[in-house]
Amino acid sequence: GAGVSQSPRYKVAKRGQDVALRCDPISGHVSLFWYQQALGQGPEFLTYFQNEAQLDKSGLPSDRFFAERPEGSVSTLKIQRTQQEDSAVYLCASSIGTSGPLAQYFGPGTRLLVL
Amino acid sequence: GESVGLHLPTLSVQEGDNSIINCAYSNSASDYFIWYKQESGKGPQFIIDIRSNMDKRQGQRVTVLLNKTVKHLSLQIAATQPGDSAVYFCAEMTGTALIFGKGTTLSVSS
Repeated sequence: GAGVSQSPRYKVAKRGQDVALRCDPISGHVSLFWYQQALGQGPEFLTYFQNEAQLDKSGLPSDRFFAERPEGSVSTLKIQRTQQEDSAVYLCASSIGTSGPLAQYFGPGTRLLVL
Repeated sequence: GESVGLHLPTLSVQEGDNSIINCAYSNSASDYFIWYKQESGKGPQFIIDIRSNMDKRQGQRVTVLLNKTVKHLSLQIAATQPGDSAVYFCAEMTGTALIFGKGTTLSVSS
């Protein structure tokens, strides 16, 4: 079946621009996660949704970062007034349920470059 | 086969060798662990998982070992193939988010 998809795959933004990154999780997956991966590093947690509820946003680095999942399926990560330090790969992952530890399946990521 | 006792950022093996990649995790309360494979330009790909009530789990050509006493996780790949070349990450879960360890770049030469 289809995996997690993300768009765009690549995004170049000028410093100060706003960007929106989209994630389509695996159909039927209740939980959705966003991670940020800097070059040469492992992914770092940003935020977590259970259906449409954002239950954990402790990893968002600043108030310029905002995520939503209004209908409990597609999610958008928005970064306002982008800075050069926001350049990274943004990964979305989903898992099927919420009870107990469950595997998270990742999309291909959006590579953001802020000039 | 090639093995490492401590985490090393790179591991080079010959095709057909067995590979062992090690990982130290940080939180003794973590109850779930996953190994991911990440190829250049792609997202992490699920390989195998293990819960904290287990010591060993086997998949196809892969085995994960968990030593909770020293907070150590290892991934064994049997008969390593060129297609196994990638960065491998271990991840631990406490709560809902995954915490990723330092990756190991596996290079397989034929």
